[in-house]
Amino acid sequence: NAGVTQTPKFRVLKTGQSMTLLCAQDMNHEYMYWYRQDPGMGLRLIHYSVGEGTTAKGEVPDGYNVSRLKKQNFLLGLESAAPSQTSVYFCASSRDGPRYGYTFGSGTRLTVV
Amino acid sequence: DQQVKQNSPSLSVQEGRISILNCDYTNSMFDYFLWYKKYPAEGPTFLISISSIKDKNEDGRFTVFLNKSAKHLSLHIVPSQPGDSAVYFCAASANTNAGKSTFGDGTTLTVKP
Repeated sequence: NAGVTQTPKFRVLKTGQSMTLLCAQDMNHEYMYWYRQDPGMGLRLIHYSVGEGTTAKGEVPDGYNVSRLKKQNFLLGLESAAPSQTSVYFCASSRDGPRYGYTFGSGTRLTVV
Repeated sequence: DQQVKQNSPSLSVQEGRISILNCDYTNSMFDYFLWYKKYPAEGPTFLISISSIKDKNEDGRFTVFLNKSAKHLSLHIVPSQPGDSAVYFCAASANTNAGKSTFGDGTTLTVKP
C-alpha cells in the first residue's frame, strides 16, 4: 500500500519554465490538497479538491493551476516558474476532511533559478 | 494575520521527561485540531486530533488538551523518547471548510538521551 506518491522528488527549473507535479493516492480518498512549505514556516494551502472533477483555491493559489481528472490523481502545474516558487511541495489526501488526519506524500523539492 | 500560532520555534527536553508543545489560534470557527509530526526529508504524519466538543484526547504517550475559552491547545508527550525528536505542527480546521487545515509554523522538539 503506497499511500500518497509524489513525482518528481527534486527538480530545478529556470525562471519562466513550466512543469507539472504529480500526486497519486491509492486509498480511494475523496479529498486532496497541495501545500507548500517555505523554510521556518508552516504549510500553506495552494489548491484543494473535494472530489473527482472539482478544484478550489486555497490560501496562496497565484501562479499555480490544478486538475483532478481522476479520483486518484491531483496535478499541480506551474505555467511560468518564478524564484518565489522555490519551496517544498506536499500533496495530501484525506477520507473525510480533517477528522482522520491527512496522509501526506514525501514532498517535491523545487528550486527555481 | 496568522490564525494558528506556535510561539516556541524549538524545545529541548531530557529523555523520559514530559514534552509540552503549545499552540494558539484566533479563529473561533475552528472546530477540529490536529497535531502532525515531521522528520527531515519526509512528509508530515498525523499524530493525534481533538474535536472542539472535547477538552482532552489521549493516545498512548500522546495527549492533546484543548482550552476553547483561551483558544489554546497543547500536546503532551510522556515519557519523551529520542525518536520523538522532530518538527511538530499544530493544525486547525473548520467543519464547514471542505476539510482545509491551517497550519502553525512548527516547533522543533529535541529529546536528549
